Amino acid sequence: AQSVTQLGSHVSVSEGALVLLRCNYSSSVPPYLFWYVQYPNQGLQLLLKYTTGATLVKGINGFEAEFKKSETSFHLTKPSAHMSDAAEYFCAVSDGYTGANSKLTFGKGITLSVRP
Amino acid sequence: KAGVTQTPRYLIKTRGQQVTLSCSPISGHRSVSWYQQTPGQGLQFLFEYFSETQRNKGNFPGRFSGRQFSNSRSEMNVSTLELGDSALYLCASSSRDSHNEQFFGPGTRLTVL
Repeated sequence: AQSVTQLGSHVSVSEGALVLLRCNYSSSVPPYLFWYVQYPNQGLQLLLKYTTGATLVKGINGFEAEFKKSETSFHLTKPSAHMSDAAEYFCAVSDGYTGANSKLTFGKGITLSVRP
Repeated sequence: KAGVTQTPRYLIKTRGQQVTLSCSPISGHRSVSWYQQTPGQGLQFLFEYFSETQRNKGNFPGRFSGRQFSNSRSEMNVSTLELGDSALYLCASSSRDSHNEQFFGPGTRLTVL
């Protein structure tokens, strides 16, 4: 079974400050890891994903995340927050192969607020 | 390519009724998954269809069902609606070479009164 833990439900940062959203996962097989963002009344949009290879992955809108197997973590960062980053962020895990089980298991989500 | 589309976007039903939601995946995507999103339970996996066959199923009662057509379009049905079924229902599609990356539609907001 897989699980994702996103500690805290709300993070508030000032515009221009570092954004750090934490994600820890549990998986019995090598995982694929994802960060999605959701704006109000919209579906989920992929920010970035880790499958294999380089453990530091860069995504859209200046976000990046580092896969650390020893810490079972996949924290999301952005050097400088922008007002438009205010949204809900979800970390997700799936089995690390493309095949019969592409189900995503999501964390509870973190709401990011950006103060002017 | 057009994205994942879901219809209708909003639905209001009363307890005991049944509802059908529709999802059209991205062209070429053969896998369609459904998720329920609620404030209390978050995002929960309902089921996945691939080539008209249910390939994976979440932990939901039998009132929740789905199907996939030969053109990969999918529908999900909820019978005997309960107040707790009020949620955003998200459909996602993926392709074999996407490393399980799923592309989400805007969702259908279901309100059960």
